[in-house]
Amino acid sequence: DSGVTQTPKHLITATGQRVTLRCSPRSGDLSVYWYQQSLDQGLQFLIQYYNGEERAKGNILERFSAQQFPDLHSELNLSSLELGDSALYFCASSVESGHPTDTQYFGPGTRLTVL
Amino acid sequence: AQTVTQSQPEMSVQEAETVTLSCTYDTSESDYYLFWYKQPPSRQMILVIRQEAYKQQNATENRFSVNFQKAAKSFSLKISDSQLGDAAMYFCAYRSSNNNDMRFGAGTRLTVKP
Repeated sequence: DSGVTQTPKHLITATGQRVTLRCSPRSGDLSVYWYQQSLDQGLQFLIQYYNGEERAKGNILERFSAQQFPDLHSELNLSSLELGDSALYFCASSVESGHPTDTQYFGPGTRLTVL
Repeated sequence: AQTVTQSQPEMSVQEAETVTLSCTYDTSESDYYLFWYKQPPSRQMILVIRQEAYKQQNATENRFSVNFQKAAKSFSLKISDSQLGDAAMYFCAYRSSNNNDMRFGAGTRLTVKP
């Protein structure tokens, strides 16, 4: 158990819908990262927040957005869902942001299925 | 852009034997970090080992060790005394010291035979 929690574990929805994935980082971690793991694209970095502010952006679609709240939990919002958005979405957390000894610890993931 | 290549989609090892998983990466940076993550059937991503590029000494964590060849841009993972619980997907990952974007390889599926 990494200490990172994600809810829900599974989510099934229809095309065109909007969903919110939630992540709680390890106690003491200020950074939260979101990743998408799909069969055709592999594991891809989406976005990072550090202490409430966006710090880095990867291959995140405009239909997707995220935020980190004052209590440091984070939410990933996916809208206008398409079949290709079906994937495993991971959240990871780390103590700082870019610190040399920073290591990311992953949550169990949320499996999103778009029908 | 940095890329990570794992050329072995699948590997197999007999229980108690040793196996080496390969990883190469492409970068123009001199300072970076390399990781091996394990993803068992539960889908949880578990950190196995990490290596700082500025360290010449190869990292070791119990039965897991790496062979880091900076000039060759190679970062292989050696698993000694393989156990059934080692069966999983193994991902090699690269992170620059300048940003927090971690790049993953496509993964190697390791099967451990009893």
